[in-house]
Amino acid sequence: AQTVTQSQPEMSVQEAETVTLSCTYDTSESDYYLFWYKQPPSRQMILVIRQEAYKQQNATENRFSVNFQKAAKSFSLKISDSQLGDAAMYFCAYRSTRSGGGADGLTFGKGTHLIIQP
Amino acid sequence: DTAVSQTPKYLVTQMGNDKSIKCEQNLGHDTMYWYKQDSKKFLKIMFSYNNKELIINETVPNRFSPKSPDKAHLNLHINSLELGDSAVYFCASSLIGAEGYTFGSGTRLTVV
Repeated sequence: AQTVTQSQPEMSVQEAETVTLSCTYDTSESDYYLFWYKQPPSRQMILVIRQEAYKQQNATENRFSVNFQKAAKSFSLKISDSQLGDAAMYFCAYRSTRSGGGADGLTFGKGTHLIIQP
Repeated sequence: DTAVSQTPKYLVTQMGNDKSIKCEQNLGHDTMYWYKQDSKKFLKIMFSYNNKELIINETVPNRFSPKSPDKAHLNLHINSLELGDSAVYFCASSLIGAEGYTFGSGTRLTVV
């Protein structure tokens, strides 16, 4: 079974600074998807960014980018120019492509609570 | 026009009661899921279901049962509620073969 580990229960960053959230995972599969989800106090799960394992290029979405190291099974999220609205829980998640990937669902890490200091 | 909607958003009930949480998606997705988020914010899949296959996480008590009247709905029924069932329950949907998920806004269940 796959596991996802987020080793930072909480991170704090000054507004406008850059912060990196860590995620490692364990799998024997060669093809899969990786995600970062944001959960603000409203508890809505919001997709931040996704990465397909067969793509070497790191995904980028505006101020959010990932550092995907497939051999090291590492998938960190970098947030540039941090804003107060970025304060939330951030979850790293893994999805298999086995059997179309659908039935297996997402395996989540335990989350990192990101605090933005004004 | 919410993509994945859950009702109710909050549910407070007594131990031993039976309750249901409803979920509907209007995205045309073929697979739906239920996740449980515990008090420590840990999210774990409970069920995934499409029109062919129900997959149950083996750690889920059989007091929990998903019921799908059609492809757009996957309700969660819980019998004999226990204090430990208190959590936030999320419904989600996706297309098989596509990587994206859409989550509902969650139902906070409190058992007293």
